[in-house]
Amino acid sequence: KNEVEQSPQNLTAQEGEFITINCSYSVGISALHWLQQHPGGGIVSLFMLSSGKKKHGRLIATINIQEKHSSLHITASHPRDSAVYICAVVTGANSKLTFGKGITLSVRP
Amino acid sequence: DAGITQSPRHKVTETGTPVTLRCHQTENHRYMYWYRQDPGHGLRLIHYSYGVKDTDKGEVSDGYSVSRSKTEDFLLTLESATSSQTSVYFCAIRTQGARYNEQFFGPGTRLTVL
Repeated sequence: KNEVEQSPQNLTAQEGEFITINCSYSVGISALHWLQQHPGGGIVSLFMLSSGKKKHGRLIATINIQEKHSSLHITASHPRDSAVYICAVVTGANSKLTFGKGITLSVRP
Repeated sequence: DAGITQSPRHKVTETGTPVTLRCHQTENHRYMYWYRQDPGHGLRLIHYSYGVKDTDKGEVSDGYSVSRSKTEDFLLTLESATSSQTSVYFCAIRTQGARYNEQFFGPGTRLTVL
């Protein structure tokens, strides 16, 4: 069993829809990253959080440490949100990252 | 972009040849990481460094070595490249200060071993 599981595996949405991507993990962590990667592109850090909720524009990330679960929400989705979204947990004294396999999101106009 | 560059950005090489990838940062971060990204596996840690001459192995370190002789450069070497090392390689730094402990990634190097 992977230490970091993401669901759903692939996701297609219509422009304007509210989207939720989930991440569950099985180890103790100090923080969790949400990352975005466009096709053929680099990896961009969207959020790092260790408790509660963070918001940036149309993106909201939440984490429940007790339940070992985090969600990334996208409001009013747009085709430019089409990308791979990767969850990664931070563990250990040297802050090593363990990654989920990523969710491929496609937003249709 | 946290001042991270990688070179080369693309490389095609033959099995058995040595290859060195370079990660360069301009902001004096102590921690640097090398990852590889493969379909079906996602990103995996190869090696990391927590200071000059201080390095440690990650989960997929076999066939790779690293060196960090100065703060700004972290080198990843494939002593004898194999086809299984065809991948996209990302370097990352870990920040201190206002965005403490957050990792930022370089643009990646696409390596093909024929």
